[in-house]
Amino acid sequence: DARVTQTPRHKVTEMGQEVTMRCQPILGHNTVFWYRQTMMQGLELLAYFRNRAPLDDSGMPKDRFSAEMPDATLATLKIQPSEPRDSAVYFCASGLVLAGISYNEQFFGPGTRLTVL
Amino acid sequence: KNEVEQSPQNLTAQEGEFITINCSYSVGISALHWLQQHPGGGIVSLFMLSSGKKKHGRLIATINIQEKHSSLHITASHPRDSAVYICAVNYNTDKLIFGTGTRLQVFP
Repeated sequence: DARVTQTPRHKVTEMGQEVTMRCQPILGHNTVFWYRQTMMQGLELLAYFRNRAPLDDSGMPKDRFSAEMPDATLATLKIQPSEPRDSAVYFCASGLVLAGISYNEQFFGPGTRLTVL
Repeated sequence: KNEVEQSPQNLTAQEGEFITINCSYSVGISALHWLQQHPGGGIVSLFMLSSGKKKHGRLIATINIQEKHSSLHITASHPRDSAVYICAVNYNTDKLIFGTGTRLQVFP
Protein backbone atom coordinates (compact mmCIF):
# COMPACT_ATOMS: atom_id res chain seq x y z
CA ASP A 1 0.00 0.00 0.00
CA ALA A 2 1.99 2.99 -1.30
CA ARG A 3 1.67 6.13 0.75
CA VAL A 4 3.53 9.29 1.64
CA THR A 5 5.16 9.16 5.06
CA GLN A 6 6.16 12.09 7.23
CA THR A 7 8.19 12.33 10.40
CA PRO A 8 7.78 13.43 13.07
CA ARG A 9 4.00 13.42 13.37
CA HIS A 10 4.13 15.90 16.23
CA LYS A 11 6.82 18.32 17.31
CA VAL A 12 6.82 20.74 20.22
CA THR A 13 9.79 23.04 20.43
CA GLU A 14 10.85 26.34 21.88
CA MET A 15 11.25 29.54 19.94
CA GLY A 16 14.69 29.80 18.37
CA GLN A 17 15.22 26.06 17.98
CA GLU A 18 15.83 24.37 14.67
CA VAL A 19 13.09 22.11 13.34
CA THR A 20 13.52 19.52 10.60
CA MET A 21 10.59 17.73 9.03
CA ARG A 22 11.02 14.77 6.71
CA CYS A 23 8.94 13.31 3.95
CA GLN A 24 9.23 10.09 1.98
CA PRO A 25 7.26 10.41 -1.27
CA ILE A 26 5.59 7.50 -3.01
CA LEU A 27 8.16 5.51 -4.96
CA GLY A 28 8.13 6.55 -8.61
CA HIS A 29 6.56 9.94 -8.04
CA ASN A 30 8.59 12.79 -9.55
CA THR A 31 7.00 15.80 -7.85
CA VAL A 32 6.99 16.67 -4.16
CA PHE A 33 5.08 19.51 -2.53
CA TRP A 34 5.32 21.09 0.91
CA TYR A 35 2.17 22.75 2.30
CA ARG A 36 1.36 24.54 5.52
CA GLN A 37 -2.12 24.59 7.05
CA THR A 38 -3.27 27.07 9.67
CA MET A 39 -6.71 28.02 10.91
CA MET A 40 -6.28 31.56 9.62
CA GLN A 41 -4.72 30.92 6.21
CA GLY A 42 -5.91 27.44 5.34
CA LEU A 43 -3.64 25.42 3.06
CA GLU A 44 -0.73 27.22 1.43
CA LEU A 45 1.99 25.96 -0.86
CA LEU A 46 5.47 26.54 0.53
CA ALA A 47 7.67 24.89 -2.10
CA TYR A 48 7.79 22.08 -4.61
CA PHE A 49 10.28 19.93 -6.47
CA ARG A 50 10.33 18.09 -9.76
CA ASN A 51 12.88 15.31 -10.18
CA ARG A 52 14.54 16.66 -7.01
CA ALA A 53 15.04 20.14 -8.47
CA PRO A 54 13.30 23.05 -6.73
CA LEU A 55 10.69 24.59 -9.03
CA ASP A 56 9.03 27.14 -6.80
CA ASP A 57 9.68 28.23 -3.24
CA SER A 58 7.95 31.59 -3.44
CA GLY A 59 5.56 30.65 -0.64
CA MET A 60 8.35 30.10 1.83
CA PRO A 61 9.92 32.71 4.15
CA LYS A 62 13.46 32.51 2.81
CA ASP A 63 15.21 33.88 5.85
CA ARG A 64 14.27 30.96 8.07
CA PHE A 65 12.85 28.17 5.92
CA SER A 66 14.72 25.85 3.60
CA ALA A 67 13.58 22.85 1.60
CA GLU A 68 15.73 20.19 0.00
CA MET A 69 15.58 16.80 -1.65
CA PRO A 70 18.87 15.06 -0.92
CA ASP A 71 17.64 12.04 -2.84
CA ALA A 72 14.51 10.79 -4.58
CA THR A 73 13.21 9.11 -1.43
CA LEU A 74 13.60 12.02 0.98
CA ALA A 75 12.42 15.61 1.12
CA THR A 76 13.20 17.85 4.07
CA LEU A 77 11.78 21.11 5.33
CA LYS A 78 13.85 22.99 7.86
CA ILE A 79 13.02 26.00 9.99
CA GLN A 80 15.85 27.82 11.70
CA PRO A 81 15.21 29.65 13.95
CA SER A 82 11.62 28.67 14.65
CA GLU A 83 9.06 31.22 15.82
CA PRO A 84 5.62 30.82 17.44
CA ARG A 85 3.94 31.99 14.21
CA ASP A 86 5.36 28.88 12.51
CA SER A 87 2.99 26.72 14.54
CA ALA A 88 0.90 24.85 11.98
CA VAL A 89 0.43 21.48 10.34
CA TYR A 90 2.93 20.86 7.57
CA PHE A 91 1.90 18.47 4.84
CA CYS A 92 4.01 16.82 2.21
CA ALA A 93 2.38 15.53 -0.97
CA SER A 94 3.74 13.70 -3.97
CA GLY A 95 2.54 13.05 -7.48
CA LEU A 96 3.58 11.86 -10.90
CA VAL A 97 3.59 14.59 -13.51
CA LEU A 98 3.70 13.40 -17.09
CA ALA A 99 5.49 15.31 -19.83
CA GLY A 100 3.30 18.06 -21.29
CA ILE A 101 0.72 17.89 -18.50
CA SER A 102 0.59 20.76 -16.02
CA TYR A 103 -1.31 19.00 -13.26
CA ASN A 104 -1.36 15.75 -11.37
CA GLU A 105 -3.24 13.98 -8.62
CA GLN A 106 -1.50 14.64 -5.33
CA PHE A 107 -1.17 12.14 -2.51
CA PHE A 108 -0.81 13.70 0.90
CA GLY A 109 1.15 12.52 3.89
CA PRO A 110 -0.37 12.53 7.39
CA GLY A 111 1.27 15.85 8.27
CA THR A 112 3.59 17.11 11.00
CA ARG A 113 1.86 19.15 13.69
CA LEU A 114 4.37 21.75 14.85
CA THR A 115 3.97 23.80 17.99
CA VAL A 116 6.54 26.48 18.72
CA LEU A 117 6.33 27.82 22.26
CA LYS B 1 -8.84 37.74 -2.42
CA ASN B 2 -9.04 33.98 -2.61
CA GLU B 3 -9.27 32.86 -6.21
CA VAL B 4 -11.28 29.77 -5.29
CA GLU B 5 -14.61 30.27 -3.58
CA GLN B 6 -16.52 27.51 -1.83
CA SER B 7 -20.03 27.45 -0.46
CA PRO B 8 -21.40 26.85 1.99
CA GLN B 9 -18.70 27.26 4.64
CA ASN B 10 -20.58 25.02 7.03
CA LEU B 11 -23.21 22.41 6.34
CA THR B 12 -25.19 20.14 8.60
CA ALA B 13 -27.35 17.29 7.38
CA GLN B 14 -29.34 14.34 8.60
CA GLU B 15 -28.15 10.90 7.67
CA GLY B 16 -29.52 9.92 4.28
CA GLU B 17 -29.77 13.43 2.88
CA PHE B 18 -28.38 14.44 -0.52
CA ILE B 19 -25.58 16.97 -0.12
CA THR B 20 -24.11 19.49 -2.54
CA ILE B 21 -20.98 21.56 -2.05
CA ASN B 22 -20.09 24.23 -4.57
CA CYS B 23 -16.82 25.65 -5.86
CA SER B 24 -16.23 28.52 -8.24
CA TYR B 25 -13.02 29.88 -9.69
CA SER B 26 -12.02 33.00 -11.52
CA VAL B 27 -10.21 32.12 -14.76
CA GLY B 28 -9.49 29.11 -16.93
CA ILE B 29 -7.96 26.13 -15.18
CA SER B 30 -6.20 22.95 -16.21
CA ALA B 31 -7.72 20.81 -13.46
CA LEU B 32 -9.89 20.95 -10.36
CA HIS B 33 -9.48 18.76 -7.30
CA TRP B 34 -11.81 17.78 -4.49
CA LEU B 35 -10.08 16.82 -1.25
CA GLN B 36 -11.43 15.43 2.01
CA GLN B 37 -9.95 16.13 5.42
CA HIS B 38 -11.25 14.26 8.46
CA PRO B 39 -10.85 15.46 12.04
CA GLY B 40 -7.35 14.41 12.97
CA GLY B 41 -6.03 15.95 9.83
CA GLY B 42 -5.33 13.49 7.02
CA ILE B 43 -6.05 14.81 3.51
CA VAL B 44 -7.35 12.47 0.84
CA SER B 45 -7.76 13.25 -2.83
CA LEU B 46 -11.31 12.38 -3.88
CA PHE B 47 -11.39 13.57 -7.47
CA MET B 48 -9.30 15.32 -10.08
CA LEU B 49 -11.25 16.49 -13.11
CA SER B 50 -10.93 18.88 -16.01
CA SER B 51 -14.29 18.28 -17.67
CA GLY B 52 -17.57 16.46 -17.26
CA LYS B 53 -18.38 14.28 -14.32
CA LYS B 54 -16.78 11.60 -12.17
CA LYS B 55 -18.38 9.16 -9.75
CA HIS B 56 -16.92 7.08 -6.97
CA GLY B 57 -19.34 5.21 -4.76
CA ARG B 58 -21.73 7.75 -3.26
CA LEU B 59 -19.64 10.71 -4.35
CA ILE B 60 -20.14 12.56 -7.62
CA ALA B 61 -18.09 15.50 -8.88
CA THR B 62 -19.12 17.67 -11.80
CA ILE B 63 -17.48 20.60 -13.50
CA ASN B 64 -18.87 23.23 -15.87
CA ILE B 65 -15.95 24.86 -17.64
CA GLN B 66 -18.03 27.66 -19.18
CA GLU B 67 -19.56 28.59 -15.83
CA LYS B 68 -16.22 28.11 -13.99
CA HIS B 69 -18.04 26.05 -11.41
CA SER B 70 -17.81 22.62 -9.85
CA SER B 71 -20.04 20.70 -7.48
CA LEU B 72 -19.42 17.79 -5.17
CA HIS B 73 -22.48 15.70 -4.39
CA ILE B 74 -22.87 13.08 -1.69
CA THR B 75 -25.82 10.75 -2.03
CA ALA B 76 -27.32 8.96 0.99
CA SER B 77 -25.05 10.83 3.39
CA HIS B 78 -23.68 9.05 6.44
CA PRO B 79 -22.08 10.31 9.67
CA ARG B 80 -18.72 9.00 8.45
CA ASP B 81 -18.92 11.57 5.64
CA SER B 82 -18.45 14.28 8.27
CA ALA B 83 -15.26 16.07 7.27
CA VAL B 84 -13.95 19.23 5.65
CA TYR B 85 -14.20 19.18 1.87
CA ILE B 86 -11.68 21.32 0.04
CA CYS B 87 -11.77 22.44 -3.57
CA ALA B 88 -8.44 23.24 -5.25
CA VAL B 89 -7.46 24.22 -8.78
CA ASN B 90 -4.45 24.18 -11.06
CA TYR B 91 -4.20 27.44 -13.00
CA ASN B 92 -2.06 25.88 -15.75
CA THR B 93 0.74 25.07 -13.31
CA ASP B 94 1.44 22.27 -10.86
CA LYS B 95 0.59 24.62 -8.00
CA LEU B 96 -2.72 24.11 -6.26
CA ILE B 97 -4.79 27.09 -5.18
CA PHE B 98 -7.10 26.05 -2.37
CA GLY B 99 -10.56 27.09 -1.35
CA THR B 100 -11.30 27.69 2.31
CA GLY B 101 -13.15 24.42 2.71
CA THR B 102 -16.67 23.34 3.61
CA ARG B 103 -17.19 21.76 7.00
CA LEU B 104 -19.83 19.04 6.76
CA GLN B 105 -21.49 17.38 9.73
CA VAL B 106 -23.89 14.53 9.16
CA PHE B 107 -26.02 13.54 12.14
CA PRO B 108 -27.59 10.13 12.65
